[in-house]
Amino acid sequence: SQKIEQNSEALNIQEGKTATLTCNYTNYSPAYLQWYRQDPGRGPVFLLLIRENEKEKRKERLKVTFDTTLKQSLFHITASQPADSATYLCALEAWSNYQLIWGAGTKLIIKP
Amino acid sequence: DVKVTQSSRYLVKRTGEKVFLECVQDMDHENMFWYRQDPGLGLRLIYFSYDVKMKEKGDIPEGYSVSREKKERFSLILESASTNQTSMYLCASSLRRTTRTSGRAVTQYFGPGTRLTVL
Repeated sequence: SQKIEQNSEALNIQEGKTATLTCNYTNYSPAYLQWYRQDPGRGPVFLLLIRENEKEKRKERLKVTFDTTLKQSLFHITASQPADSATYLCALEAWSNYQLIWGAGTKLIIKP
Repeated sequence: DVKVTQSSRYLVKRTGEKVFLECVQDMDHENMFWYRQDPGLGLRLIYFSYDVKMKEKGDIPEGYSVSREKKERFSLILESASTNQTSMYLCASSLRRTTRTSGRAVTQYFGPGTRLTVL
């Protein structure tokens, strides 16, 4: 069955360092991989996406990489700030349907 | 600015009650979705709709029904609420991508969520 895994343990990072979150998938050929941010008690908010034929995408302090051989995406936040603390979700989108397949999310805590 | 609204932020109901959760989007999106989110389980799709009056079951449709009479509105109905339906309910909408060559990702836009407690 299709599966997406994110590290279920919270990631603690010192302010100013780079935070790296991992999203692994199996049995799937995604068209896109999307990253969302979710704050407590709120709905997810779209951040960045990367296409199947792209290796890397950047947006300000955010960078996403996509390795279809390893079936993995990495999400980087450089110069991290306490305001970056949130849960980050990855989601796969297939060409064949309207749905996104979601990871359970990784909680990121940036310590001042 | 893109907007998805949900009828309530917090709701408390009794076991056996019929519960209506309503979602409205102002982006003229074809697709609408209902998810529930529980700690450690992530987002689980209950139902989605790709057009008015059209619906498809997601991963966990049991105990739920939906209605989409207008393009902008998607309702989730709990026919007889049970305690195991206590959860955060999230509505989302997106454009529809019809072909591989359209090249457009179907980013989802979420409402603020409804925290439902069934006693």
